[in-house]
Amino acid sequence: GAVVSQHPSWVICKSGTSVKIECRSLDFQATTMFWYRQFPKQSLMLMATSNEGSKATYEQGVEKDKFLINHASLTLSTLTVTSAHPEDSSFYICSARDDRDGRRSPLHFGNGTRLTVT
Amino acid sequence: AQKITQTQPGMFVQEKEAVTLDCTYDTSDPSYGLFWYKQPSSGEMIFLIYQGSYDQQNATEGRYSLNFQKARKSANLVISASQLGDSAMYFCAMRETPYGGATNKLIFGTGTLLAVQP
Repeated sequence: GAVVSQHPSWVICKSGTSVKIECRSLDFQATTMFWYRQFPKQSLMLMATSNEGSKATYEQGVEKDKFLINHASLTLSTLTVTSAHPEDSSFYICSARDDRDGRRSPLHFGNGTRLTVT
Repeated sequence: AQKITQTQPGMFVQEKEAVTLDCTYDTSDPSYGLFWYKQPSSGEMIFLIYQGSYDQQNATEGRYSLNFQKARKSANLVISASQLGDSAMYFCAMRETPYGGATNKLIFGTGTLLAVQP
């Protein structure tokens, strides 16, 4: 089946530094990828839609300068948390849509990245 | 705007019994898809079952079935013969697919934590 690789699986960084999270579709092309954020015991909140070759579309309330998204190729999207602060600590999870899939097909999710900002 | 509601924060079920997890939704679009995902404590999102708004029959996938009541805008997940490994967080999600448009983002409910007891 379709595999989405997300790296790193966990990261600890100091306040004020930036962290980059990668999301790769291993065996399919994905023009569109999605980035979600999940706080403990809460739902997945969509942060932004990443489109290859164009600017990401951010959800209301998400700071685009804080969460930089780059969809460099049909198999790679990156999320950079800039100048991270403790309140950015969360579980970040990406998902990708196989370009060949129809509307009935599910999104394919990465295993998530647990970010802790100290 | 679309909205997904899961009113059961937590549920208990005895092993080998069936359990129903509730999900209601709200959308103004006639074309949409409903998904159920399972999230174990490890964090990965596992796709379980899909129901399209125009599907005539309720979806089934092994021990999972979806009780789709379109007029009531509900899409409850039924797990039969519960197993200890079914203990996890379960999320209902919806994707609007406007006619002629690209597949839209997936919006999640708040989830239900299921605990299967031996």
